[in-house]
Amino acid sequence: KAGVTQTPRYLIKTRGQQVTLSCSPISGHRSVSWYQQTPGQGLQFLFEYFSETQRNKGNFPGRFSGRQFSNSRSEMNVSTLELGDSALYLCASSSQSQGWYGYTFGSGTRLTVV
Amino acid sequence: GQQLNQSPQSMFIQEGEDVSMNCTSSSIFNTWLWYKQDPGEGPVLLIALYKAGELTSNGRLTAQFGITRKDSFLNISASIPSDVGIYFCAGQLRYGGATNKLIFGTGTLLAVQP
Repeated sequence: KAGVTQTPRYLIKTRGQQVTLSCSPISGHRSVSWYQQTPGQGLQFLFEYFSETQRNKGNFPGRFSGRQFSNSRSEMNVSTLELGDSALYLCASSSQSQGWYGYTFGSGTRLTVV
Repeated sequence: GQQLNQSPQSMFIQEGEDVSMNCTSSSIFNTWLWYKQDPGEGPVLLIALYKAGELTSNGRLTAQFGITRKDSFLNISASIPSDVGIYFCAGQLRYGGATNKLIFGTGTLLAVQP
C-alpha cells in the first residue's frame, strides 16, 4: 500500500509569492490533515479535511488555505509568503472507518522563503 | 501555538541502555500517540493509547496512558543505534467526529552511541 505522498519535496519561494502544496493520502483514507513544523513552534495543526469539507482549522492567518478533492487528494495554499512561513509542511491521512489509529504522515514539503 | 511539555529535551546514551521520556498536559486527552521522526522525514507512529491506565508494548517500546489522562510516558529498552531520532508525543481529543487534531509535544532528541 503506497504511503502518503507529498509534492514537491523542496521548494524555494520569494517573499510575497504564493505557493501550492499537494498531498495524496493513503488509498481509502478520507481524512487529510496539514501540519507546519518549525524549530521554534514545533508541530502545529493547520487544518483537517474530510470528504471535501474542512472539519477543523488551527490558529493560522487567512493566508493559509486548503481544499480537498473528491478523490481525497488535498492541496494547501499559502498566499503572500513571509519569511516566517519557511517550514516543513506535513500532510497526514487517516481512515476514519478504522477508528482512531493515529495518522500516517508523509515526508513533507520543505518550503524556504527568501 | 499549543505544545505539550515533553521531557527530557534530549538524551545521549550508550547502546543497550534503557530510555524513558514523558509528556504532560494541562488538558485532558482521550488518545495519546507516540511518534518518531528521522531527519528529513515525517513522523512515524510508534504506539497509540486509547484508555486511561492503558499500557501498550510494541517490541522494545512500552507506553502508558496516564490515569489522570493528562500525561503519558514512553520507555525504550535495550537501545540500539537505529533508535536515534526525535520522539514526539501527541494528544488527541476526539468526541464523535467533531475534531481530530493532534497537539504535539516539544520533542525528545535521542542520540545512541554504539
